[in-house]
Amino acid sequence: GESVGLHLPTLSVQEGDNSIINCAYSNSASDYFIWYKQESGKGPQFIIDIRSNMDKRQGQRVTVLLNKTVKHLSLQIAATQPGDSAVYFCAEKVSGQNFVFGPGTRLSVLP
Amino acid sequence: EAGVVQSPRYKIIEKKQPVAFWCNPISGHNTLYWYRQNLGQGPELLIRYENEEAVDDSQLPKDRFSAERLKGVDSTLKIQPAELGDSAVYLCASSLQGHSYEQYFGPGTRLTVT
Repeated sequence: GESVGLHLPTLSVQEGDNSIINCAYSNSASDYFIWYKQESGKGPQFIIDIRSNMDKRQGQRVTVLLNKTVKHLSLQIAATQPGDSAVYFCAEKVSGQNFVFGPGTRLSVLP
Repeated sequence: EAGVVQSPRYKIIEKKQPVAFWCNPISGHNTLYWYRQNLGQGPELLIRYENEEAVDDSQLPKDRFSAERLKGVDSTLKIQPAELGDSAVYLCASSLQGHSYEQYFGPGTRLTVT
């Protein structure tokens, strides 16, 4: 069946370094993906999205890369800051307006 | 602009008791979602509404869960009777269909069943 997963459940990086969070998906027909950030006690918050006709999309300090050949998605955060500490989810559009979320990666930024 | 509002934020009940969660989506958003998020996991869709119509409730355990969105705005999610395994965070999200796929989430209701 369809599933979205993450390679690493936790990631620790030094403040100022770049972070890379990975996500694997199983449905090769999926055409749209979103990365969400969830801080403690809050709901997920949209970060960036990408359509399957793109390989890369950049936002402010964030970049999403999509490799359809191996069904892999990554989120890169440049110059990671303490405020980036959170759980990050990739979400895969599976039908209509429905998305399947991965289990998440917890990013910890070390001082 | 106010975000998605959910209440209560926390709820502790004994098993077999009923519980209800309330959600007020962002004004004008016609699509409303209820998710369940277990500890350390991603949100799992329970039900999706387009206006007042439940268009996808395939993941809703209908023997004990029910939801409604009578006027196509606010929504309630009910569990009766609650079981220990229902302990989770229940998230409500809304989006504007035809505008983007971005979902705006509320802070969630943390349910503990004892």
